Amino acid sequence: QSALTQPPSASGPPGQSVTISCTGTSSDVGGFHYVSWYQQRPGKAPKLIIYEVTKRPSGVPDRFSGSKSGNTASLTVSGLQAEDEADYYCSSYVGGNTYVFGTGTKLTVL
Amino acid sequence: QLQQSGPGLVKPSQTLSLTCAISGDSVSSNSGAWNWIRQSPSRGLEWLGRTYYSSNWYYDYAVSVKSRMTIKPDPFKNQFSLQLNSVTPEDTAVYYCVKGSLYYGMDVWGQGTTVTVSS
Repeated sequence: QSALTQPPSASGPPGQSVTISCTGTSSDVGGFHYVSWYQQRPGKAPKLIIYEVTKRPSGVPDRFSGSKSGNTASLTVSGLQAEDEADYYCSSYVGGNTYVFGTGTKLTVL
Repeated sequence: QLQQSGPGLVKPSQTLSLTCAISGDSVSSNSGAWNWIRQSPSRGLEWLGRTYYSSNWYYDYAVSVKSRMTIKPDPFKNQFSLQLNSVTPEDTAVYYCVKGSLYYGMDVWGQGTTVTVSS
């Protein structure tokens, strides 16, 4: 199972919005409504911020939102804050009880 | 909360063994699965496998490690473990134990254990 494709980097000034894409195939992202997103700060474990494409776990700011169109999922961070600077990873259920992650995107707040 | 333990250095061809102790939950609960995930610069984040209890114990493994990996739940000690046989330097990574669902995401992570495979 190949990793989902994300851009290596993304950036934006404080207060702006940035969108990170996650491209898979009809066998993973396009085939299921089970896309998740994770935020990982240096030296820390990933943190779940979006699940089932659009849902946010309790405590995650509503500045984080998710969507999906066809084989591509997207994470949008609105009203960028310095604390949002981190690595972001998408993931998807693949079927056959398998799970795949994206390649990761480093978000820089300018 | 998940607390990991195990050696940080393993020799090539030997077995990597890690344990994940669970507090505030039960390995036998049916509220999620118990997973192992690793992360390395070369392979990124990689889901390795899971176990869960639903009247019986079930196991799923990634194709890449299926022939070498075993996850063992221990209800008496409320923990679960990872064994990865015949390791090579490619298995060098940070290993995480994680509670979560393949559908609804991985929401509770251990602190991570850096494992280096080297002679």
